[in-house]
Amino acid sequence: AQSVTQPDIHITVSEGASLELRCNYSYGATPYLFWYVQSPGQGLQLLLKYFSGDTLVQGIKGFEAEFKRSQSSFNLRKPSVHWSDAAEYFCAVGNSGGYQKVTFGTGTKLQVIP
Amino acid sequence: GAGVSQSPSNKVTEKGKDVELRCDPISGHTALYWYRQSLGQGLEFLIYFQGNSAPDKSGLPSDRFSAERTGGSVSTLTIQRTQQEDSAVYLCASSTGAGDYGYTFGSGTRLTVV
Repeated sequence: AQSVTQPDIHITVSEGASLELRCNYSYGATPYLFWYVQSPGQGLQLLLKYFSGDTLVQGIKGFEAEFKRSQSSFNLRKPSVHWSDAAEYFCAVGNSGGYQKVTFGTGTKLQVIP
Repeated sequence: GAGVSQSPSNKVTEKGKDVELRCDPISGHTALYWYRQSLGQGLEFLIYFQGNSAPDKSGLPSDRFSAERTGGSVSTLTIQRTQQEDSAVYLCASSTGAGDYGYTFGSGTRLTVV
């Protein structure tokens, strides 16, 4: 069965600093990978997704993620964090065959300090 | 509509009562999903509808939970004899079902069982 681990429950960074949120997945075949962001009181918004091809994926709001098969990882990065990036971030894995069932991680809550 | 609409946005109910949560997906989206988000937990898959196919109910936590989708559009998630552990945010998402995993989430229904 597919699964996702986000080892960091809570991360605090200073505004302007770089950010990396960790994500490890478990899936038998080539996975479909996603990062979503959830701002307080909001639904989830897709930041980026990886299906195939270039392992470095660019997303919205200046985020990027790199798929590393050897490490079963799909870490999310941003070179310079803005206060508005404070939110909860979810990594997710989808099955590459059959229907579109997506399994989410437990999330990482990002706090940005001025 | 323009987005996924969920109602009510908040629901407080007494233990033992039945509740119905509604999801109105994006027009034309054939796939519809229900997830549950409990405090400190990731998103827990509940049920998936795709077109006229039999739904995948593998995530429903007990027989108190049921869902239906009428006319391939609006979906209702019903929880019978609610328990305090049912308190959570229930999220609905829809997608085209065409393999692009383009989930669009609603803002959710926050259910509190007292």
